[in-house]
Amino acid sequence: NAGVTQTPKFRVLKTGQSMTLLCAQDMNHEYMYWYRQDPGMGLRLIHYSVGEGTTAKGEVPDGYNVSRLKKQNFLLGLESAAPSQTSVYFCASSLSRSEQFFGPGTRLTVL
Amino acid sequence: QQQVKQSPQSLIVQKGGISIINCAYENTAFDYFPWYQQFPGKGPALLIAIRPDVSEKKEGRFTISFNKSAKQFSLHIMDSQPGDSATYFCAARDANDYKLSFGAGTTVTVRA
Repeated sequence: NAGVTQTPKFRVLKTGQSMTLLCAQDMNHEYMYWYRQDPGMGLRLIHYSVGEGTTAKGEVPDGYNVSRLKKQNFLLGLESAAPSQTSVYFCASSLSRSEQFFGPGTRLTVL
Repeated sequence: QQQVKQSPQSLIVQKGGISIINCAYENTAFDYFPWYQQFPGKGPALLIAIRPDVSEKKEGRFTISFNKSAKQFSLHIMDSQPGDSATYFCAARDANDYKLSFGAGTTVTVRA
């Protein structure tokens, strides 16, 4: 099993550009999450999903959109990237309220 | 506003020493307190977790101490090894929720 995978691993964007980060899990987990990690801020929840076709806002949702069309995939979109969105993005999944399993992360730089 | 406050931000310990990381919270509805370990360039991974009905949990060289009345919990790394050098995050989950609130993280460096 690959667990949780994320693509791409690295990306550089110019301000105003758009992109989509893909998260995939092969553990048949219902719950999926997108976090951003910034120095001194820990992990902050952007959006999450409790099942296929459902999404909800987390702690810092502004500037991001998500979709969960298939149970195994959770997409994070940036419609118009800003330098403040420079961060490392982590996807995680869990089986209801159990342990969250994290992907390897995507390092995004917005110039 | 972080719901879980973690300290220190970083610490350096000699090989064989004890590393101690502290976390505090206010939400009395929190009922699950995990610690995650993150190596550079990797995603966090669950290290050890505790529920408030016990005051201590030990797994190998890692121990969580929990003080419900003080709303504090801590991670102790005994006999610290260079391979323990990583960033550690405490977290907490509300009994009525499934989302985790994370602390800011502590970078531990173990010197050989």
